[in-house]
Amino acid sequence: EAGVTQSPTHLIKTRGQQVTLRCSPISGHTSVYWYQQALGLGLQFLLWYDEGEERNRGNFPPRFSGRQFPNYSSELNVNALELEDSALYLCASSLTRSPLHFGNGTRLTVT
Amino acid sequence: GQQLNQSPQSMFIQEGEDVSMNCTSSSIFNTWLWYKQDPGEGPVLLIALYKAGELTSNGRLTAQFGITRKDSFLNISASIPSDVGIYFCAGQLDSNYQLIWGAGTKLIIKP
Repeated sequence: EAGVTQSPTHLIKTRGQQVTLRCSPISGHTSVYWYQQALGLGLQFLLWYDEGEERNRGNFPPRFSGRQFPNYSSELNVNALELEDSALYLCASSLTRSPLHFGNGTRLTVT
Repeated sequence: GQQLNQSPQSMFIQEGEDVSMNCTSSSIFNTWLWYKQDPGEGPVLLIALYKAGELTSNGRLTAQFGITRKDSFLNISASIPSDVGIYFCAGQLDSNYQLIWGAGTKLIIKP
């Protein structure tokens, strides 16, 4: 069974640009979660999607947004990038109310 | 907001030693999860606990769900070099199934 896949693995952007990160969940999983992990720090919850709807949102500004598609894959969009957005962005999927399974993340560097 | 206190923040251990780490909270959880993250990768689920008092093992790892439902510990017996990494606990709230994450315990093996 394929795990959670994320693309791209690495990305370098300039301050002010926009970026889209992609996530494919484990087959059969309907929930997708996005987390931000700054270097050496813990996991900060960004967004939770389930059955195509946004179910919960972390304490992040509106320039962080996303969506979930009918096939349960998901995109995370970040507009007007700032230097402090440099981080590992992790996607996780799960069955409803089951443990999360993570991908290996997208390393975003903003210069 | 809810917080999880995970300790210790980091540990230097000799190969072969036993390791213990724990998480405590002021909130009651209905699930405790333990993950391990290797450098450059996403967290991997080690153990999931669903009942107060539950004691679960996964190889050399043992975790327990505290009786009060506000704490959990993870023990690693006879540590080996591949145990190096960051261990995260996460508690799932009874009320809304939101996951609350600890800040992580970094395990380092002394040369």
